[in-house]
Amino acid sequence: AQSVAQPEDQVNVAEGNPLTVKCTYSVSGNPYLFWYVQYPNRGLQFLLKYITGDNLVKGSYGFEAEFNKSQTSFHLKKPSALVSDSALYFCAVSPPRGGYNKLIFGAGTRLAVHP
Amino acid sequence: GAVVSQHPSWVICKSGTSVKIECRSLDFQATTMFWYRQFPKQSLMLMATSNEGSKATYEQGVEKDKFLINHASLTLSTLTVTSAHPEDSSFYICSARQGNEKLFFGSGTQLSVL
Repeated sequence: AQSVAQPEDQVNVAEGNPLTVKCTYSVSGNPYLFWYVQYPNRGLQFLLKYITGDNLVKGSYGFEAEFNKSQTSFHLKKPSALVSDSALYFCAVSPPRGGYNKLIFGAGTRLAVHP
Repeated sequence: GAVVSQHPSWVICKSGTSVKIECRSLDFQATTMFWYRQFPKQSLMLMATSNEGSKATYEQGVEKDKFLINHASLTLSTLTVTSAHPEDSSFYICSARQGNEKLFFGSGTQLSVL
């Protein structure tokens, strides 16, 4: 069965330190990979996506994600965390050629950045 | 960026009543909208795909008579939870697709059935 795993319910980081939010997936073929962020009382916002090409994808707000095919991972990273980055982050995959249809989401990871 | 408005943001209802949730694309036309459900600490699960002017496509295990979806215009899709029961209590999120690539989400509706 196709699935997405975000192994950490919460990640705590000090402001200015690098952050990583982990995501692994189990989808056959070459899926599309996404990261979304949700701030309180707001809808999910698109951060970045990987379809093909360079394994390091740069997205909004200074975030980037690294696609690792052998480890089936797509971890979200940022070199220097901000308090304003505190939010709920979702990893999602779409089956090959699925585009934005039938996104499969992880359970979400809450990022808490402390001053 | 594009905005998707979802209303209400939370609702409490009695068991046996029906609840309607609206999803509107405010500044673009969305031929396709999606409805998701999320239980605490679990993934967003796709319930159905709503296409303007046609019947919704439901995912396996989702009762179409329980969760009525109407997409009567290019900017509005509604989800009606009929004869709600406590097990229907959940967080419901809609999304609207702009063109073929961009997907925008509503802020979600927390439904509590007493």
